[in-house]
Amino acid sequence: SFELTQPPSVSVSPGQTASITCSGDKLGDKYVCWYQQKPGQSPVLVISQDNKRPSGIPERFSGSNSGNTATLTISGTQAMDEADFYCQAWDGGIGVFGGGTKLTVL
Amino acid sequence: EVQLVESGGGLVQPGGSLRLSCAASGFTFSSYWMHWVRQAPGKGLVWVSRINSDGSSISYADSVRGRFTISRDNAKNTLYLQMNSLRADDTAVYYCARDGGSYRDFDYWGQGTLVTVSS
Repeated sequence: SFELTQPPSVSVSPGQTASITCSGDKLGDKYVCWYQQKPGQSPVLVISQDNKRPSGIPERFSGSNSGNTATLTISGTQAMDEADFYCQAWDGGIGVFGGGTKLTVL
Repeated sequence: EVQLVESGGGLVQPGGSLRLSCAASGFTFSSYWMHWVRQAPGKGLVWVSRINSDGSSISYADSVRGRFTISRDNAKNTLYLQMNSLRADDTAVYYCARDGGSYRDFDYWGQGTLVTVSS
């Protein structure tokens, strides 16, 4: 079955760039979305269609997808960006999420 | 303003049943596909099921196929998830989410409802 693999955790200093990867077989052939979830809150869509930011999402969030890896990049990371991030794609009409990455800003 | 409000969660014994509801407002519900996504305590997101705009096309995750049934009532702007033969590993917060369209993202989420399966 199709699986998406994310690193369990990523740490970044305030103002620096954070990169969160998502790996899956031929993932570049699929569209990838990214969701941010803060403690006690519902997920929020931050990147759609590999690299599209929904309205209201800061420009510091960007995405890319090629080969077997999709990447969420947060430029100029702020303390408020600390959260869990999940990638998501579709495989044969079945939704698949990555295991999630805890982003720590320290 | 788009709003999705889930209800119907609670404590149920293994083997029991529960029906979740998701009341939608702020958009033309009958025009959108809808999804259920769950999250076990302290764990990640898991897609459960989706239904197209008129209910004619449905899909399920392997883990719930044959036990869960998704449906919708467009006249009542409400999405449902009937859950039967519940198991301990079905314990989770269940979110309904709106499908954003062509690229099948989840552009709006409800606040979730907790289902606990335990004796």
